[in-house]
Amino acid sequence: GAVVSQHPSWVICKSGTSVKIECRSLDFQATTMFWYRQFPKQSLMLMATSNEGSKATYEQGVEKDKFLINHASLTLSTLTVTSAHPEDSSFYICSARDGSPSNEQYFGPGTRLTVT
Amino acid sequence: KNQVEQSPQSLIILEGKNCTLQCNYTVSPFSNLRWYKQDTGRGPVSLTIMTFSENTKSNGRYTATLDADTKQSSLHITASQLSDSASYICVVSANNDMRFGAGTRLTVKP
Repeated sequence: GAVVSQHPSWVICKSGTSVKIECRSLDFQATTMFWYRQFPKQSLMLMATSNEGSKATYEQGVEKDKFLINHASLTLSTLTVTSAHPEDSSFYICSARDGSPSNEQYFGPGTRLTVT
Repeated sequence: KNQVEQSPQSLIILEGKNCTLQCNYTVSPFSNLRWYKQDTGRGPVSLTIMTFSENTKSNGRYTATLDADTKQSSLHITASQLSDSASYICVVSANNDMRFGAGTRLTVKP
């Protein structure tokens, strides 16, 4: 099946710094990628939808200036958490849609962000 | 109110036993329903995907059912193994919009 990777798998940063998370579709082209956040014992919450070559669409309540998304190619999307605070500590998961008729969506392994 | 409700929230069973997880939804219009397995600290992995016309679909020891009239789905796990311990998430799609359930946390004990 299709593979989506994320890097890094975990990161610890100090409050006030910025962190970039990469999401790659390894064996298919993804015109649409999604970024989710998941808090402990909760389900995934969609943050934004990222379309290659255009601006991301953010869900209500998600600050676009804090969570910068860049989808520069058909295989790479990045999420940058700017001026991170401890409350941004979470599990960030990306997914990519393969554009097939079934519009299958494949999830990455996630990135654990801890802000100290 | 979440449009996808899962029950139970958590479940503990002994290795080798069967179990059934439930998913009720109010999402409309309905496109498809997926069951995902999410191991702790990992991303979700697709188990099954069902469209409106499908009533049941199996993937090894996992069997999903769908009743589109009552808007209910179940995931049955047969002969559970320790590696089945994970969260199981029901996701219902309306057009291209995916709605996630909160998941059922399954623990399989030896």
